[in-house]
Amino acid sequence: SQQGEEDPQALSIQEGENATMNCSYKTSINNLQWYRQNSGRGLVHLILIRSNEREKHSGRLRVTLDTSKKSSSLLITASRAADTASYFCATDAGGGSNYKLTFGKGTLLTVNP
Amino acid sequence: DTEVTQTPKHLVMGMTNKKSLKCEQHMGHRAMYWYKQKAKKPPELMFVYSYEKLSINESVPSRFSPECPNSSLLNLHLHALQPEDSALYLCASSLRDLDEQYFGPGTRLTVT
Repeated sequence: SQQGEEDPQALSIQEGENATMNCSYKTSINNLQWYRQNSGRGLVHLILIRSNEREKHSGRLRVTLDTSKKSSSLLITASRAADTASYFCATDAGGGSNYKLTFGKGTLLTVNP
Repeated sequence: DTEVTQTPKHLVMGMTNKKSLKCEQHMGHRAMYWYKQKAKKPPELMFVYSYEKLSINESVPSRFSPECPNSSLLNLHLHALQPEDSALYLCASSLRDLDEQYFGPGTRLTVT
């Protein structure tokens, strides 16, 4: 299965601390994406990193990609209570008319005020 | 308008009912998706429409029937569902296949 695997499954930190989540996958990809989901709601796209990129930043978010290890990490700096959510990595598979995203199991992040 | 809308927000239906879920986007996106998500699980892809044509059906039971009337609308017709079909149904769209996906808030479906 191409499904990504996030690590850890759950993470609890204090406001102001940094949070790091990891994602591993099994086969070659075109790109890897990270999404956030607040409880019971739709997903929000955070960052897309292409297979030829190694690092990408967006505000307090930093994503790295190591294609040799088939792994990615998401770092959230100076966390806030509002960052409490589930975070999913998503990898692509197939091409052309068969392109689709497969989501990992997710990391539940709790930021305590 | 960078929003994907879904109606209804909540739906309770019996196993003999026929209902439809609706999804709409006005971002000019040409790919649209249906996902099913159970509690504490990741979204699972059900269907992909690309340029209004069904391109992927992830072996979804025929009691789920997708429809794409035009480039802005995506429907999911439901008939003779089972209690295990109760879940959050998410619609998403993207400009092209390889781009980031924009998700709607979902329809919480309960089958009794």
